[in-house]
Amino acid sequence: DIQMTQSPSSLSASVGDRVTITCRASQNIAFHLNWYQQKPGIPPKLLISAASGLQSGVPSRFSGGGSGTDFTLTISSLQPEDFATFSCQQSHTSPWTFGQGTKVEL
Amino acid sequence: QVQLQESGPGLVKPSETLSLICTVSGVSISSGSYYWTWIRHHPGKGLEWIGYTHYSGSTNYNPSLKSRVTLSIDMSKNQFSLDLNFVTAADTATYYCARARLQNDFDRWGQGTLVTVSS
Repeated sequence: DIQMTQSPSSLSASVGDRVTITCRASQNIAFHLNWYQQKPGIPPKLLISAASGLQSGVPSRFSGGGSGTDFTLTISSLQPEDFATFSCQQSHTSPWTFGQGTKVEL
Repeated sequence: QVQLQESGPGLVKPSETLSLICTVSGVSISSGSYYWTWIRHHPGKGLEWIGYTHYSGSTNYNPSLKSRVTLSIDMSKNQFSLDLNFVTAADTATYYCARARLQNDFDRWGQGTLVTVSS
């Protein structure tokens, strides 16, 4: 299985901060990387697909980058509604696997 | 508006079978453009993909669970289901049904249902 490792596992930030989360794959997955946002009691929401493809309705302050084994999710200016857990997922090779999540806290 | 909703028991005894149903609305489950998927989330851990089924009858399971999992689809009811046999406490988790696009990302999710394995 492809292992997905996120860093950090949690971070503290303030409204307006620029936040970057990293996801590393245990092998080359090209651009087959997706990002999700999850809040307590709410299912995950797909934010970005194929490394950098912003989903419809997702604010432009979210952006994704990277290819191969190293990827980033950046929030350019953190808003109150962005405090959540973010997870990456590789869609290169079955079984599809997720990172352990990064919790963004106030 | 596409919606998915899980249903099933919230408590299952060890060694028994966990059975969940996902009811889909707003899209036909017989659309060839999607895989119908189960994912679970153990407290404090990352999400775990269980497997998916397609209206064509094809299935794909996580090898870690393959020996215990069966996914099936009921196009007449626009539902798909999960059976997980011989459960243990390690199977206690929140179970989500989700829609996977052909590129294997998950763009619609059910609300999730907590299943506890305990005697």
